[in-house]
Amino acid sequence: EDKVVQSPLSLVVHEGDTVTLNCSYEVTNFRSLLWYKQEKKAPTFLFMLTSSGIEKKSGRLSSILDKKELFSILNITATQTGDSAIYLCAVEASGYGGSQGNLIFGKGTKLSVKP
Amino acid sequence: GAGVSQTPSNKVTEKGKYVELRCDPISGHTALYWYRQSLGQGPEFLIYFQGTGAADDSGLPNDRFFAVRPEGSVSTLKIQRTERGDSAVYLCASASRSQETQYFGPGTRLLVL
Repeated sequence: EDKVVQSPLSLVVHEGDTVTLNCSYEVTNFRSLLWYKQEKKAPTFLFMLTSSGIEKKSGRLSSILDKKELFSILNITATQTGDSAIYLCAVEASGYGGSQGNLIFGKGTKLSVKP
Repeated sequence: GAGVSQTPSNKVTEKGKYVELRCDPISGHTALYWYRQSLGQGPEFLIYFQGTGAADDSGLPNDRFFAVRPEGSVSTLKIQRTERGDSAVYLCASASRSQETQYFGPGTRLLVL
């Protein structure tokens, strides 16, 4: 059965700290891995990763994928209170007859950044 | 449109009632997905539409759940004979086509009493 596991499930840090969030996966016919930030209800897109070893960066956030070891990390440097959210990792896998695009999500990491 | 919109934002109903949840995708997006997110869990896939047709409904938990997208734009998720276990946030996402980045709406929080 396809699955995505995130760790830690929750994390409390202080402003200015650097955090690393982990996502490991077991899926058949991997296509891509995505990171989303969920503050209230709507997950907002952060990154899509398809190739190993190529870092994607957006401001203080960066992410990288390792397709050999089947994991990804999301780094946030110089954290701010506005980074407090649940960070979701999702994997798209090819289904019967090809991928439809439906995502398999992990449970998320709840990040709390204290002032 | 500016983004994916969903209505209502909150819905409280009684066990056994029928509910409809609406999703307006980003204009021009042909792929539309419904997910359900229970407390403390990640979203779980329910159904995927490509255009007007349900290309994959393998995530629907049982036959009380049904979804339509008659004109290839707005979609409605319908739940019959609601049960307390149906309480969750129902999220809709759209993409320009399948396998492209999915953009989520704000969800509908359903509470079945």
